Parts: sequence; structure tokens; C-alpha cells
Amino acid sequence: QSALTQPPSASGSPGQSVTISCTGTSSDVGGYNYVSWYQQDPGKAPKLIIHEVSKRPSGVPTRFSGSKSGNTASLTVSGLQAEDEADYYCSSFAGSDNWVFGGGTKLTVL
Amino acid sequence: QVQLVDSGGGVVQPGGSLRLSCAASGFRFRKNNMHWVRQAPGKGLEWVALISSGGDRKYYADSVKGRLTISRDNSKNTLYLEMSSLKPDDTAVYYCVKDFNWAFEYWGQGALVTVSS
Repeated sequence: QSALTQPPSASGSPGQSVTISCTGTSSDVGGYNYVSWYQQDPGKAPKLIIHEVSKRPSGVPTRFSGSKSGNTASLTVSGLQAEDEADYYCSSFAGSDNWVFGGGTKLTVL
Repeated sequence: QVQLVDSGGGVVQPGGSLRLSCAASGFRFRKNNMHWVRQAPGKGLEWVALISSGGDRKYYADSVKGRLTISRDNSKNTLYLEMSSLKPDDTAVYYCVKDFNWAFEYWGQGALVTVSS
């Protein structure tokens, strides 16, 4: 059982927007602004796409955005493209130098 | 550019030991905290351990505490994970990861560890 809860799947058509949720507790997501998101293509290492809730690393397209409300963080992909089809994971610092991940969401571009 | 090259994976029997290495380049290794993160086949990601930039502070997931040991040699720009008393549940791809503001910024390509008799 994963510490953070994500929907196992999400989908959208090209050009649409899709939002993936990540629910934790006040001890992780709700307690710190250290939520991050990762994109993982099959057989590849994960890639950081959002850190500190809503910050995008250099080179990450602006169609990826992050937010947080209470114990739930969200990743929104706007203007879906075929290349966005991948697995997405959220993570949060959980205090006491411990990190937790979500179970992952498989995003399908229809 | 940042490069992390994981090595040392393989097949080991339950109760056995293995050492993973991660060669880092393209950034000031000695100035950065480093993690190990693992992923069991077909499963999600699990944080394993963190070591501070100077190597003086180490933190572990409860699932590996007492069995896995993270270390680093800043003179060689290399991160290590010593694994002992291995269990089948430790079977996973192990990634070396550079920390950035408590996020997992850059990842190695991963080293597969299979614990099986």
C-alpha cells in the first residue's frame, strides 16, 4: 500500500487538459511544500517535472503545472500531446528525513 | 551535463550481500545530498535512503533499516549502497538520485537487483 494515493489511470484526448490527484495527510503533503511530480516512460528512469508543489525545472514544457490544497496535490497537463503518455508519480517529503511516493498514474492519450 | 551511472546489480540468493555503485559527473558531487530510490518490477517507486553532502548524516526507509547502508566517497564522486541480509522483496531496480530542494532531480539509469534462490 502506497503512502500517497493516486488514481491508477487517467486519460484525455489530444489538446484536452487532464488533472491527476495525489492525496496524503497533514504529515506529508499537507505539512510541507515539498511535493514533486515525475514522468516515467516504459523502461526508463523517472524524470522530474514539478518540484516544490508548482515549480517547473528548466526544459519542462509550460503545459505541466502543479498545485496543492490541504492534503491533496494535483498535476495538470494542459494541451495534451501524444508524447505525454507515460506513468506519473507524486512524492512528498514526510518529515524526519523520510519521503513517500504515490502508487503512480498511467496517463493515456486517446 | 549531469550524469549518474549505476552499476553492481545482479542475482543474489536470499540472505546474501551486494554493493551498488553510482559514478557521478557534471555537477559538484561533494555539495549535494544524494538518494537511492528503488522500483520493484511492475510496481511504483520507493524511497530507500538519503546521505548528506558530507556523508555525516544518513537516513533510511524503515523497510531497509539495518540491512542497507548508504555511503559516499567525495574524492571519487561515487555513491554506494551496501546491501546485506537481502530478501526476495528487495528485488528491484535501484536508482541513484541527486537531490534538489527535497526533490529527486536527476536519476541514474538504474541497477537491477534480483534476490532469488
